Amino acid sequence: KAGVTQTPRYLIKTRGQQVTLSCSPISGHRSVSWYQQTPGQGLQFLFEYFSETQRNKGNFPGRFSGRQFSNSRSEMNVSTLELGDSALYLCASSLRHANTGELFFGEGSRLTVL
Amino acid sequence: AQTVTQSQPEMSVQEAETVTLSCTYDTSESDYYLFWYKQPPSRQMILVIRQEAYKQQNATENRFSVNFQKAAKSFSLKISDSQLGDAAMYFCAYGQGAQKLVFGQGTRLTINP
Repeated sequence: KAGVTQTPRYLIKTRGQQVTLSCSPISGHRSVSWYQQTPGQGLQFLFEYFSETQRNKGNFPGRFSGRQFSNSRSEMNVSTLELGDSALYLCASSLRHANTGELFFGEGSRLTVL
Repeated sequence: AQTVTQSQPEMSVQEAETVTLSCTYDTSESDYYLFWYKQPPSRQMILVIRQEAYKQQNATENRFSVNFQKAAKSFSLKISDSQLGDAAMYFCAYGQGAQKLVFGQGTRLTINP
């Protein structure tokens, strides 16, 4: 079956712009999580959605937001981009809300902010 | 707050040899899960192995096994008979409850032919 699909794979933005990233989970997976990966900070949890509701949020400013649709697809948005937002954004899906199982990650969206 | 520490930024091993990657974590919880994820150069993270804290028996998955020391809060990964395809970044992760994983900084593993 198809894996987690993230679009776009690469994008370049300038400071002050906003960006929307998309994630399509594995069919049947209702939980979607987002992570930011940078060389300095490593992998950091952004937020998690289950059944169209945000269940958990990491320690990121309000410029980072997300949502989940009824088909479990998720989007995350970053407004007023800063240079430090340059990162690989990873989406992960799983079958259940509780973290008892495996997370399936997408290949990520590489965001460069100039 | 929970933290995960991987003290080895880089490791290298000869093909067919055994290598152990270290991970320590800090938590006050008694129920949790620990994971090792692999991130090859293509960037897609893949679960290697997971361990439930309530289980005393160490998890194994083919050539991969863990040494889980709950009291010491240590969770090391042993890779036996290393193969070229094992070359990747390895991340240790802690999870409790929801999907919010806390990752270590990673260990870059190189396999020398």
